[in-house]
Amino acid sequence: QQQVKQSPQSLIVQKGGISIINCAYENTAFDYFPWYQQFPGKGPALLIAIRPDVSEKKEGRFTISFNKSAKQFSLHIMDSQPGDSATYFCAASMNSNYQLIWGAGTKLIIKP
Amino acid sequence: EAGVTQFPSHSVIEKGQTVTLRCDPISGHDNLYWYRRVMGKEIKFLLHFVKESKQDESGMPNNRFLAERTGGTYSTLKVQPAELEDSGVYFCASSPLNRGFYEQYFGPGTRLTVT
Repeated sequence: QQQVKQSPQSLIVQKGGISIINCAYENTAFDYFPWYQQFPGKGPALLIAIRPDVSEKKEGRFTISFNKSAKQFSLHIMDSQPGDSATYFCAASMNSNYQLIWGAGTKLIIKP
Repeated sequence: EAGVTQFPSHSVIEKGQTVTLRCDPISGHDNLYWYRRVMGKEIKFLLHFVKESKQDESGMPNNRFLAERTGGTYSTLKVQPAELEDSGVYFCASSPLNRGFYEQYFGPGTRLTVT
């Protein structure tokens, strides 16, 4: 049973636009929600993470929005650039030192 | 500081053969994790070492998979005998042991193809 559902599977956005990727989780015991970015041939790299005591976290052009009551969280990439083209994974765990439960990934393409 | 390294980067073996994957974590990281991504699906947890001890191996698919971490440094994941469904990318990650929220650092993965 997949505990973290991610959508869309793929996304094409024009340069300068906003990219939005959504995730929903089931286990209310999760308290750590990271987003990972993966380029071809590389391992996933932590992009930004949030804990459920805040509703939003922003780092540069990347923002996580978190809705605890709906058990949903999303990644927003503002002013999307071609260099942002990658596969993005949401994940959840009961803290960062436990196993990560992953979404299926979103392949993002930013068109110049 | 060197990142997490994995060897080999790619392995092609026939069904029934044995393959051993290796992971070298970041120096000083006591937590070591193995994950697997099969055919574009979600990445799935396999197991978690704290130093040389297996903390959680609930994700290991069956007894054809054997993970070791001798001396709490590098880890190996052996698949014996390999089956077609074992194909995928195997990722290793490491993190410090300290309490608190620390990111897991991932290696580039080993792509395993079983034919």
